[in-house]
Amino acid sequence: AQSVTQLGSHVSVSEGALVLLRCNYSSSVPPYLFWYVQYPNQGLQLLLKYTSAATLVKGINGFEAEFKKSETSFHLTKPSAHMSDAAEYFCAVSDWRAAGNKLTFGGGTRVLVKP
Amino acid sequence: ETGVTQSPTHLIKTRGQQVTLRCSSQSGHNTVSWYQQALGQGPQFIFQYYREEENGRGNFPPRFSGLQFPNYSSELNVNALELDDSALYLCASSLAVQALSTEAFFGQGTRLTVV
Repeated sequence: AQSVTQLGSHVSVSEGALVLLRCNYSSSVPPYLFWYVQYPNQGLQLLLKYTSAATLVKGINGFEAEFKKSETSFHLTKPSAHMSDAAEYFCAVSDWRAAGNKLTFGGGTRVLVKP
Repeated sequence: ETGVTQSPTHLIKTRGQQVTLRCSSQSGHNTVSWYQQALGQGPQFIFQYYREEENGRGNFPPRFSGLQFPNYSSELNVNALELDDSALYLCASSLAVQALSTEAFFGQGTRLTVV
């Protein structure tokens, strides 16, 4: 079984400050890991994914995440927050052996950006 | 914006009724997954359809059922609606070739309210 824990259901950052969202996973097999963003009343948009290639993954909108196997973590960062980054962020894991990417999501972290 | 479309966008039903939600997958995709996202939570995997067959199911009762059509579009049916079924229902499509899959692309969801 796989699981994802996102530390902090809410994060508040100032515009221009570092954004750091924490994600820890549990998986009995090498995982595929994903970060999705959800804006109000919308579906999920993929920010970035890790699929066993480079451990530092760059995504859209200036976000990046680093896969650390020893820490079972996949934290998401952005050096400088923008007002448009205010949204909910979800970390997810899937089993690379299973066709179709069945995703197990964390509970989400809502980001508030202060001017 | 993805090519995954869901209908309707909003729906209000009465407890005990039945509902059908629809999803049109992205062109070229052969796999559709359905997720339930309760308010303030991460999405939960309901089931997945691959080439018109169910390909995995989450921890949901049998009154949640689905179909996938030859054009790879899909329906989610929920019978005997309960108040706790109120949620955002997300459809995601991907392309699965043997054991490999592209990432999942999500629609904007259907907001179901059960009263």
